[in-house]
Amino acid sequence: KAGVTQTPRYLIKTRGQQVTLSCSPISGHRSVSWYQQTPGQGLQFLFEYFSETQRNKGNFPGRFSGRQFSNSRSEMNVSTLELGDSALYLCASSLEGQGNSPLHFGNGTRLTVT
Amino acid sequence: TQLLEQSPQFLSIQEGENLTVYCNSSSVFSSLQWYRQEPGEGPVLLVTVVTGGEVKKLKRLTFQFGDARKDSSLHITAAQPGDTGLYLCAYRFSGGYQKVTFGIGTKLQVIP
Repeated sequence: KAGVTQTPRYLIKTRGQQVTLSCSPISGHRSVSWYQQTPGQGLQFLFEYFSETQRNKGNFPGRFSGRQFSNSRSEMNVSTLELGDSALYLCASSLEGQGNSPLHFGNGTRLTVT
Repeated sequence: TQLLEQSPQFLSIQEGENLTVYCNSSSVFSSLQWYRQEPGEGPVLLVTVVTGGEVKKLKRLTFQFGDARKDSSLHITAAQPGDTGLYLCAYRFSGGYQKVTFGIGTKLQVIP
């Protein structure tokens, strides 16, 4: 069974630009969560989608948005990039996204904003 | 303020040594999960502890859930370089569809 796939692995963008990251979950998983990981803050929850609906949202500005498609693939978009958006963005899929259902992570997209 | 406090945040030890890392909170959890993240990869679930006082073993790793279900520990016996990584504890509140929240992690380096 293929794992969670995130593309691209690395991105370098300039302040003010926008970026779109992609995540393909494990086949059959309907929940997709996004996290931002930085050395100082650790893993911070961005949002979670289930069956194309945003079910949970973290405390990030509106510049961070996402969506999920009918095949459960998900994208997140960051507009008007700031230097502080430089981070590792991790996507995780889960069968149902509740209880003790584990998160299965991709290897992330490393975003650098210059 | 992190709801889950992990300590120590950094640990560098020699191969063969034992170590314990901690995950503490003032809140009571229905369960806690431990993940390990190796450099360049995403976190991978190691174990879920559910019952207060529960002890689970995974080869040389021993996980314990506190009796009051507010804390957990991970003990590694005879650490090996392959144990190097970031150890994260995490919880998801029960009821509805809740997000999974992570502690900041313990970064472990095992020197050969």
